[in-house]
Amino acid sequence: DAKTTQPPSMDCAEGRAANLPCNHSTISGNEYVYWYRQIHSQGPQYIIHGLKNNETNEMASLIITEDRKSSTLILPHATLRDTAVYYCIVRDQGNTPLVFGKGTRLSVIA
Amino acid sequence: DAGVTQSPTHLIKTRGQQVTLRCSPKSGHDTVSWYQQALGQGPQFIFQYYEEEERQRGNFPDRFSGHQFPNYSSELNVNALLLGDSALYLCASSLSGANVLTFGAGSRLTVL
Repeated sequence: DAKTTQPPSMDCAEGRAANLPCNHSTISGNEYVYWYRQIHSQGPQYIIHGLKNNETNEMASLIITEDRKSSTLILPHATLRDTAVYYCIVRDQGNTPLVFGKGTRLSVIA
Repeated sequence: DAGVTQSPTHLIKTRGQQVTLRCSPKSGHDTVSWYQQALGQGPQFIFQYYEEEERQRGNFPDRFSGHQFPNYSSELNVNALLLGDSALYLCASSLSGANVLTFGAGSRLTVL
């Protein structure tokens, strides 16, 4: 079973920041937080991951609370192309399989 | 640089038949994982292949089997198809020990 809890859906206005929350209260010390997204009719796409420090790349920022029990994915300027299902996953390093929940369906509205 | 390619993209089978799905990993990747995604659900892990052997397996029956070839490509076979096997089958590749998986667009199987 997935070790994360996410809201089933969210809306965001185009051009605004999208903040997607994720709870992972049972995360263990060696587990990372990963985010993937799945645009309709495509396979999941890696976005970002982190252990305890905040991370930023060209796609998004990941903010992890100090106790590591929750995190937020931030898309700084959402576009219509960001409409997708976003999955938050906790996972060991290396070859451990990804365990997906149902994710958050983000709708970016013009 | 081609990513993960899967074939066929769509197929229709009837109950009791057998199906083979194919996956070519991203260049430089040596590990292939297969996932099943039912409508409205997140992907579920089936198994992972590395060095031509099944390294890990999820909670799927023996009707689901796979193979990895020396060139790292992989096949997923499903025997005795059930209506419940209708799903999107996703292949993901990675470099062993690496953190990031690259997914293909999937093969959509419909069982009638």
